[in-house]
Amino acid sequence: DQQVKQNSPSLSVQEGRISILNCDYTNSMFDYFLWYKKYPAEGPTFLISISSIKDKNEDGRFTVFLNKSAKHLSLHIVPSQPGDSAVYFCAAKGTYSGGGADGLTFGKGTHLIIQP
Amino acid sequence: DTEVTQTPKHLVMGMTNKKSLKCEQHMGHRAMYWYKQKAKKPPELMFVYSYEKLSINESVPSRFSPECPNSSLLNLHLHALQPEDSALYLCASSQGRTRSYYYGYTFGSGTRLTVV
Repeated sequence: DQQVKQNSPSLSVQEGRISILNCDYTNSMFDYFLWYKKYPAEGPTFLISISSIKDKNEDGRFTVFLNKSAKHLSLHIVPSQPGDSAVYFCAAKGTYSGGGADGLTFGKGTHLIIQP
Repeated sequence: DTEVTQTPKHLVMGMTNKKSLKCEQHMGHRAMYWYKQKAKKPPELMFVYSYEKLSINESVPSRFSPECPNSSLLNLHLHALQPEDSALYLCASSQGRTRSYYYGYTFGSGTRLTVV
């Protein structure tokens, strides 16, 4: 059962417009959510995160919104640029018993294509 | 140095071979991770090391054997793999549970493993 879901495999947006990537989760024990960007043949790159006690976090062109009651988060990129074309993964961090570090649960990713 | 370095980048091995994947970081991160990513799938957590001790093993078969010789190095020893083990193996590090939510995880570029 997938605990982190990205239901849009791909998204095409015109350069300069807003890109909105969506993510849903099922596990209410997740305490942080993160967005990663991945280019082919490279590892994922951390973009932005949000704590489960907040509803918004902003960093430059990237803003993440969290709706805890709906178990939904979204990443907004404004304005979209050609270099933003990549696969975007939503990830969630939960609390493992007895561990000092926690692994991430990833969604399947959304391929964002920015069109000139 | 803000990178996680993985070697080799590509590896082809037979089912009777023994090989090792290596991962190195010099950021002073105390948590290190192995993830496995198959084509068109999200990365899946395999192992977590916290302060050089194995803290999480996500029910990974014993033909995968992790090792953390020191705080900067993480190895994954492979023995008697199956063709279905072919995947991209990603190493990551983080500052640990108290900071990883903010800084995220730093991933390496991965080792593309093919088992023949």
